[in-house]
Amino acid sequence: QSALTQPASVSGSPGQSITISCTGTSSDVGGYNYVSWYQQHPGKDPKLMIYDVSNRPSGVSNRFSGSKSGNTASLTISGLQAEDEADYYCSSYRSSRIGVFGTGTKVTVL
Amino acid sequence: QITLKESGPTLVKPTQTLTLTCTFSGFSLSSTGVGVGWIRQAPGKALEWLALIYWNDDKSYSPSLKSRLTITKDTSKNQVVLTMTNMDPVDTATYYCAHTGRHCSSANCYTDWGQGTLVTVSS
Repeated sequence: QSALTQPASVSGSPGQSITISCTGTSSDVGGYNYVSWYQQHPGKDPKLMIYDVSNRPSGVSNRFSGSKSGNTASLTISGLQAEDEADYYCSSYRSSRIGVFGTGTKVTVL
Repeated sequence: QITLKESGPTLVKPTQTLTLTCTFSGFSLSSTGVGVGWIRQAPGKALEWLALIYWNDDKSYSPSLKSRLTITKDTSKNQVVLTMTNMDPVDTATYYCAHTGRHCSSANCYTDWGQGTLVTVSS
């Protein structure tokens, strides 16, 4: 079961915007509007930030936004803050009610 | 308030069977659209999706681990159990259970997570 592909690391200065990509195939990212994004701080459990490509759960800052084009989904963090420094994982639905996660991206706030 | 907590052995020997229990509160696994999944994370590695069970007893498994995994639920006890056979040192990981069905109910969408339990496989 191959994972979705994410860049290993992305960095930005406070206040800047960064975008994390998540590349899959037509059997997962490209085939369904079921992409989620998770934030994970060291030693903590993951937190859902975006679901169904672009929806934010209640309580998640509107600085976080999601989109998708073809087989690639993206998470954009606007107005980067120190507290955004964490690992981020995308996840997609794959046929037959299976889930798949991405390889993970470490976000560093410079 | 929704909570989930994983329990089980912290150390298992190679070839043994691992049994993990997820005990939850704040939702019912008999409600339409609700599911509980298991996800693991090896030290310093990415999240890996393992299995999912829905309110209607539909189950799905990671294709690469399907032969080793079994997921069951006990709705009356608010518990979901995951068993993994033939454990190997590469299965050393933190195992999380998580809830789907609050904002979304697809296999990849989990709004609430347990704290995770570290399972080490070693002789």
